[in-house]
Amino acid sequence: NAGVTQTPKFQVLKTGQSMTLQCAQDMNHEYMSWYRQDPGMGLRLIHYSVGAGITDQGEVPNGYNVSRSTTEDFPLRLLSAAPSQTSVYFCASSYRDYNSPLHFGNGTRLTVT
Amino acid sequence: RKEVEQDPGPFNVPEGATVAFNCTYSNSASQSFFWYRQDCRKEPKLLMSVYSSGNEDGRFTAQLNRASQYISLLIRDSKLSDSATYLCVVLTSGTYKYIFGTGTRLKVLA
Repeated sequence: NAGVTQTPKFQVLKTGQSMTLQCAQDMNHEYMSWYRQDPGMGLRLIHYSVGAGITDQGEVPNGYNVSRSTTEDFPLRLLSAAPSQTSVYFCASSYRDYNSPLHFGNGTRLTVT
Repeated sequence: RKEVEQDPGPFNVPEGATVAFNCTYSNSASQSFFWYRQDCRKEPKLLMSVYSSGNEDGRFTAQLNRASQYISLLIRDSKLSDSATYLCVVLTSGTYKYIFGTGTRLKVLA
């Protein structure tokens, strides 16, 4: 029962470094998304995908790239990390169905110094 | 105006109390609604979906008021273990953007 798996759980980066946050799901969900959560701001949608080969921007896409080459994986790339990207990142997936709730991974805590 | 708004709380209630939270949404095309629970430093977990006719799951009751554009969550007989942040989520027809409220913090006191 893996569900949604995110790696790594913790990461510290220096300003300007790049990295990829990994997200994989084994539930055959068409829909996948990335959120960031900051104190007092709630979860904000970064990017989402309704299927392999399709991605779209959410509320706060700047500084992040995504791709969806397979149904299972939806990596999030930070091109040049900035302190403002210090946050907790959650990946979530669901069936492509308006009645389907999101299933979340355990999160990645990222600190950019 | 935020697309989904919640009172951040905290709501401090004694064990056994009944407590209710509201969540307002601004887009009249909103189609699907959910309540999630989030414990400190953990991922959100689905508490319940919200159906047009209202629905109940044990001590939890969710309702939807489309005319006034809000959903509500009622918790009866509060337990210490209910202490958490409750997030409402709205999915709008024509998009696949699940939009979250900032959450309402509940503390149940012994």
